[in-house]
Amino acid sequence: AQSVTQLGSHVSVSEGALVLLRCNYSSSVPPYLFWYVQYPNQGLQLLLKYTSAATLVKGINGFEAEFKKSETSFHLTKPSAHMSDAAEYFCAVSGLNRDDKIIFGKGTRLHILP
Amino acid sequence: GAVVSQHPSRVICKSGTSVKIECRSLDFQATTMFWYRQFPKQSLMLMATSNEGSKATYEQGVEKDKFLINHASLTLSTLTVTSAHPEDSSFYICSAIAGVGTQYFGPGTRLLVL
Repeated sequence: AQSVTQLGSHVSVSEGALVLLRCNYSSSVPPYLFWYVQYPNQGLQLLLKYTSAATLVKGINGFEAEFKKSETSFHLTKPSAHMSDAAEYFCAVSGLNRDDKIIFGKGTRLHILP
Repeated sequence: GAVVSQHPSRVICKSGTSVKIECRSLDFQATTMFWYRQFPKQSLMLMATSNEGSKATYEQGVEKDKFLINHASLTLSTLTVTSAHPEDSSFYICSAIAGVGTQYFGPGTRLLVL
């Protein structure tokens, strides 16, 4: 079975400050890991994904995440927050097979303070 | 990049009627698509796996007679909410598999049952 746990349903950071969204995963097989962003009343946009290549993954909009097997973590970071980063962020996990389903965490709402 | 569309984007219907939502992969073929449901301020809950040419696989607790899924072609899956009730009001999102570790999500369909 696979699951992800996102620590903190709400995170607030000041504009220009570091963004850190935490995600821990549980998987009985080597996982693929994802971060998605969702703006209000919209679908999901893929920020980045880990597919067993480099452990430090760079994504769009300046986000990156590091896969740490020893900590079973895949935290999302961005050096400097922008107001436009305010959204809901979902960490997700899947297996390595082509048709494996994606399991989502509960999400973290990121608030950017002016 | 690959695009997945959903139609309609928003639908309002009366209680007791049926509503069909389409999910299309626009520039790739998808033998497997997924249907998710998202309640306000919550995460995505996988409802079912839609397999082209075969019966859908439903997650535990999802009524297959309530949520009919048809994946008649490699680019189209439909979700029909039968005899809709207000508690079926939700945001429905589909995704399509384009390759190993690669899923693309549709923009979602907002269903409101009066």
